[in-house]
Amino acid sequence: GAVVSQHPSRVICKSGTSVKIECRSLDFQATTMFWYRQFPKQSLMLMATSNEGSKATYEQGVEKDKFLINHASLTLSTLTVTSAHPEDSSFYICSAESGGATDTQYFGPGTRLTVL
Amino acid sequence: QKEVEQNSGPLSVPEGAIASLNCTYSDRGSQSFFWYRQYSGKSPELIMFIYSNGDKEDGRFTAQLNKASQYVSLLIRDSQPSDSATYLCAVNQAGTALIFGKGTTLSVSS
Repeated sequence: GAVVSQHPSRVICKSGTSVKIECRSLDFQATTMFWYRQFPKQSLMLMATSNEGSKATYEQGVEKDKFLINHASLTLSTLTVTSAHPEDSSFYICSAESGGATDTQYFGPGTRLTVL
Repeated sequence: QKEVEQNSGPLSVPEGAIASLNCTYSDRGSQSFFWYRQYSGKSPELIMFIYSNGDKEDGRFTAQLNKASQYVSLLIRDSQPSDSATYLCAVNQAGTALIFGKGTTLSVSS
């Protein structure tokens, strides 16, 4: 149980285009999902916290107009990188919280974005 | 600022040895403690969580928590080359986002 999927797993796009990444909790309902970014050989950086039916909470330094997050249901959150630029190339990972006493987070497999 | 500290390593151990990974955290209000394993180019995978003082064992893995010392550790017994990865310590309070350490790289040589 506690499986989280992400789609696509890899995307290459031209500078200036927008890219949408989906994160789904497959076998549990996740009221909270998180979006992280990880550059090579660096630690995970939390970008935003997404709660179903409400606006996402962005971490300091993360542009909310550039990284649009929609948490439309208890099993789906999307991250759209708008007008992507080469510096946005990174490994984007979502996680979903299973709730309960420990609030365990389960990670999706990640999406590797390359902006040319 | 809430922080989680880990030695970046690399920690090198021979196959079959015990690997000991350590983590300290600054927020005394932390309630849940997690260890994730991350292979290069992959996303983190949950290994264990612990929220009570003491030890928690799961197969070859043992998590140890000492809230008074604000210290959590992960022991890996009978280390295998496949255990070579980066191990992330994470803590949180209920309803808040996980705070991750930068990870410790473990290398198990055969």
